[in-house]
Amino acid sequence: TQLLEQSPQFLSIQEGENLTVYCNSSSVFSSLQWYRQEPGEGPVLLVTVVTGGEVKKLKRLTFQFGDARKDSSLHITAAQPGDTGLYLCAGAGLSGNTPLVFGKGTRLSVIA
Amino acid sequence: DSGVTQTPKHLITATGQRVTLRCSPRSGDLSVYWYQQSLDQGLQFLIQYYNGEERAKGNILERFSAQQFPDLHSELNLSSLELGDSALYFCASSVGMGYTFGSGTRLTVV
Repeated sequence: TQLLEQSPQFLSIQEGENLTVYCNSSSVFSSLQWYRQEPGEGPVLLVTVVTGGEVKKLKRLTFQFGDARKDSSLHITAAQPGDTGLYLCAGAGLSGNTPLVFGKGTRLSVIA
Repeated sequence: DSGVTQTPKHLITATGQRVTLRCSPRSGDLSVYWYQQSLDQGLQFLIQYYNGEERAKGNILERFSAQQFPDLHSELNLSSLELGDSALYFCASSVGMGYTFGSGTRLTVV
């Protein structure tokens, strides 16, 4: 069974601070996705990374896929209250069409 | 609006009862995935359907079953409900790598 461990579980920071959350596994994934979930809603896809070492930027969010395709990180620069939410990473297995495996998430709270 | 529709949004029922959750995928998406989300376990994959046929099964209890109909909507049936079945139930559809989730059904078993 492929498992994804996310850390930290909870993070509370002041507006304007930078932060990094991590997603680690002992398994190799064909791709890794990051989602953000707000209360009362389903997760929303932020980004998909496919190539080992790949870095993608989405405004103040930077996503990196590890060289060995086993881990990923999400870095947020100058966090804002609107970034508050549950950040989930999800991995796609190497064999095609297997359902995504999700980590338990990092719950981020950005205080104004 | 994600395009994936789930009903009902909230459901409160007693132990031992049976409920049906409904999901309509985005137009054109053939795959439907069902996930259960609880505080301690996170998002757990239950079952996947593709164009009416079961494609993959995860940690789905025998008391739970699902199906996908010719119009591609899907239903998740939960029976002999227990207190521990209280959770958020999400369906998602996909084309390509990313999933699009519905807003979920919050099930409370009392």
